[in-house]
Amino acid sequence: SQTIHQWPATLVQPVGSPLSLECTVEGTSNPNLYWYRQAAGRGLQLLFYSVGIGQISSEVPQNLSASRPQDRQFILSSKKLLLSDSGFYLCAWSPDNSNEKLFFGSGTQLSVL
Amino acid sequence: GQQLNQSPQSMFIQEGEDVSMNCTSSSIFNTWLWYKQDPGEGPVLLIALYKAGELTSNGRLTAQFGITRKDSFLNISASIPSDVGIYFCAGLTYNFNKFYFGSGTKLNVKP
Repeated sequence: SQTIHQWPATLVQPVGSPLSLECTVEGTSNPNLYWYRQAAGRGLQLLFYSVGIGQISSEVPQNLSASRPQDRQFILSSKKLLLSDSGFYLCAWSPDNSNEKLFFGSGTQLSVL
Repeated sequence: GQQLNQSPQSMFIQEGEDVSMNCTSSSIFNTWLWYKQDPGEGPVLLIALYKAGELTSNGRLTAQFGITRKDSFLNISASIPSDVGIYFCAGLTYNFNKFYFGSGTKLNVKP
């Protein structure tokens, strides 16, 4: 069966520090991968999605970037964090060629102080 | 990006009551998904809908894909305390690569 792993679960970082959040998927090949951000008590905002290795589409201009160095690995990064980058970050995957369902990781709560 | 309007924003109901929430959009979607999210966790998929008019159940949950492809609703029958959480709708666009989410319905159930 397929599983998605996301870490760390919580992170407290100072303003101006770098960021790296990692997500991996097991049990499937060539998944579509997504990063979402959720502000407290709000809906999910799509940040990036990827349909293959090295292929990244950005939904909104921001201080973040994403990379997909391997088929089942998706990384969210920043060179210098801003206060406004605080939030709950969720990685998700969907099956290639069908996109019938979207499955989420357990999320990373990022606090930028 | 696409906008999904989800209502109501929040609900306070008594245990045993039925609940209904819905999502509407000005855009057409190929797929509608409904999720439940508990605090500090990722959303969990409840029901997936793929055809206009489709009605699908999962236990006490029933969801429908609107005929116009621009809306969907979720019903929960005989609510119980563990139904508490935030429910999200999500729509998949025609290019099959982007899922967009509603703003959520926060459900509170009084025992």
